[in-house]
Amino acid sequence: AQSVTQPDIHITVSEGASLELRCNYSYGATPYLFWYVQSPGQGLQLLLKYFSGDTLVQGIKGFEAEFKRSQSSFNLRKPSVHWSDAAEYFCAVGAWTGNQFYFGTGTSLTVIP
Amino acid sequence: GAVVSQHPSWVICKSGTSVKIECRSLDFQATTMFWYRQFPKQSLMLMATSNEGSKATYEQGVEKDKFLINHASLTLSTLTVTSAHPEDSSFYICSAIPSGQTYGYTFGSGTRLTVV
Repeated sequence: AQSVTQPDIHITVSEGASLELRCNYSYGATPYLFWYVQSPGQGLQLLLKYFSGDTLVQGIKGFEAEFKRSQSSFNLRKPSVHWSDAAEYFCAVGAWTGNQFYFGTGTSLTVIP
Repeated sequence: GAVVSQHPSWVICKSGTSVKIECRSLDFQATTMFWYRQFPKQSLMLMATSNEGSKATYEQGVEKDKFLINHASLTLSTLTVTSAHPEDSSFYICSAIPSGQTYGYTFGSGTRLTVV
């Protein structure tokens, strides 16, 4: 069965520190992987996506993610966190031929001064 | 880039009334749109798949008579929450994909529904 796991419900980091948000997936076919960010009261914004090719994907706002097939992971990273990065982050997996997304339960990020 | 607009952004309604939420693809045609629901502190759950010109496909456990979906044109899908109750209070988000594509989903900004 398809599923997405985000092991960390909540993470707190200091401004300027590095960040890594974990995402593991279970998918029966070639996965298409996404990271979204949701600010309080707002909709979803796509940070980055992986379809194929280079396993290190660059996204907006200085985020990047690395696809590791052997570990079924797609972790999100940022070298230096800004206070404005405080939000909820969702990892998702979608199908190339299908039309459904499977979302993780999200990781809430708090940034302290 | 593809833009999906949702309206309203937030709505408060009385228990027993109906509320309509619109999802529009602004610069592309979308044969298929999707409706998701998000409970507080939880992830998004797919409610239904909306297909232009045909009946929506609902996920298991979603009441089709309560959540009416209409996809009357290639740029507009509507979700009507009928006889709303406080437990229907949630964040509803739609997504759309350009016709002919199988990737490139774009999400709307969401609608916060509060039933009092």
